[in-house]
Amino acid sequence: EVQLVQSGADVKKPGESLRISCKGSGYTFTNYWISWVRQMPGKGLEWMGSIDPSDSETKYSPSLQGHVTISVDKSITTASLQWASLKASDTAMYYCARLNSGWNGLDFWGQGTLVTVSS
Amino acid sequence: QSGLTQPPSASGTTGQRVTISCSGSYSNIGSNYVYWYQQFPGTAPRLLIYSHNQRPSGVPDRFSGSKSGTSASLAISGLRSEDEADYYCASWDDSLSGPAFGGGTKLTVL
Repeated sequence: EVQLVQSGADVKKPGESLRISCKGSGYTFTNYWISWVRQMPGKGLEWMGSIDPSDSETKYSPSLQGHVTISVDKSITTASLQWASLKASDTAMYYCARLNSGWNGLDFWGQGTLVTVSS
Repeated sequence: QSGLTQPPSASGTTGQRVTISCSGSYSNIGSNYVYWYQQFPGTAPRLLIYSHNQRPSGVPDRFSGSKSGTSASLAISGLRSEDEADYYCASWDDSLSGPAFGGGTKLTVL
């Protein structure tokens, strides 16, 4: 069974750093890109970026590039999303999802990680 | 802007057929597969339709998808109260090099 299990919710202050994670299991981790999707409170889904676990090649949404970093450790089948300096506007639910290259869409999703940034 | 366009809301009565539209451009729907997600409050999106009109295992055949040109639609027949959810269309966008999403449609079952 394909599973993506994300790290738990976190509360941070503006300016703090944060890394959230997504562990894949039940499939060959290096065969599928992992994407991160943001959902701000009461809003829709927004693609943030993707990473190829086989070689760590990354692609970012132009609107978010430079503000977040996506990385992967294939030895533990885990992808990560990190911020060096959080803003209040980063408050959102973050999902990781597996990219199916057959039809270029996200087929399996993690349960989501709620990040709250507040002073 | 690479986003797809959906109506913010849709509604229907139990047993009815409803459709949700999704409009894009040549760089996304016009050149790539369309997929649809269902999302209930507080839960992760669930894949409903992929490759324009294919259903993953476990998705009832009441749900169907279609595409024409740079637009797509999701149809739900035999509407049930448990279908009340948010629905998102999406498609790979060549200019974004990633998936573009619609803004979501909140379906209400009256």
